[in-house]
Amino acid sequence: DIQMTQSPSTVSASVGDRVTIACRASQSIRDWLAWYQQKPGRAPKLLIYKASTLESGVPSRFSGSGSGTEFTLTISTLQADDFATYYCQHYNTDSRAFGQGTKVDIK
Amino acid sequence: QITLKESGPTLVKTSETLTLTCTFSGFSLSTRGLSVGWIRQPPGRAPEWLASIYWDDDKRYSPSLRNRVTITKGSSSDQVVFSMTNMAPADTGTYYCARANTLESRPWIDWGQGTRVTVSS
Repeated sequence: DIQMTQSPSTVSASVGDRVTIACRASQSIRDWLAWYQQKPGRAPKLLIYKASTLESGVPSRFSGSGSGTEFTLTISTLQADDFATYYCQHYNTDSRAFGQGTKVDIK
Repeated sequence: QITLKESGPTLVKTSETLTLTCTFSGFSLSTRGLSVGWIRQPPGRAPEWLASIYWDDDKRYSPSLRNRVTITKGSSSDQVVFSMTNMAPADTGTYYCARANTLESRPWIDWGQGTRVTVSS
């Protein structure tokens, strides 16, 4: 099974900060990686797929990069609405594992 | 507008079988490339993919749960049914259904609101 590991587990940041979240796959997944945002009591929301493609309607301050085993989600200028938990997910095999999550909270 | 909604019991007993229904609108599961899947999330933990069914009736299951889960298209064309046998307290969590588009390489685009399931003896 492919394992996904995110770091850090928590990011404390302020509005206006640049935030970067890392995700590592236990073996190469090419670019079969998605990023989701989840707020308490809500379903996850797809932000990015194929490692770097922005889902329709998602603000351009979100961006994704990477391929193979190393991936990054960047929020260029953190907004109040961005405080949430972020998950990476490998897809396109029967593994489809999620990372353990990164919580972005208020500094 | 695309919507999905999960329905089923909120409480099941240990060793029982859980059956959930996903009722959706705004798309047809017979459209090439589309799939509906089930994802669960234990309290305070990451989501976990369980099963998916595709427009051509192909089915995929999580390797770790393959022996316990089943996914089928419902008797109505706007439903997908999921079942999990031998439920245990560790299976407690929120169960979501979600839509994906394989042709566009887009995973879980649209999600239901989720349904909370508690397993207790």
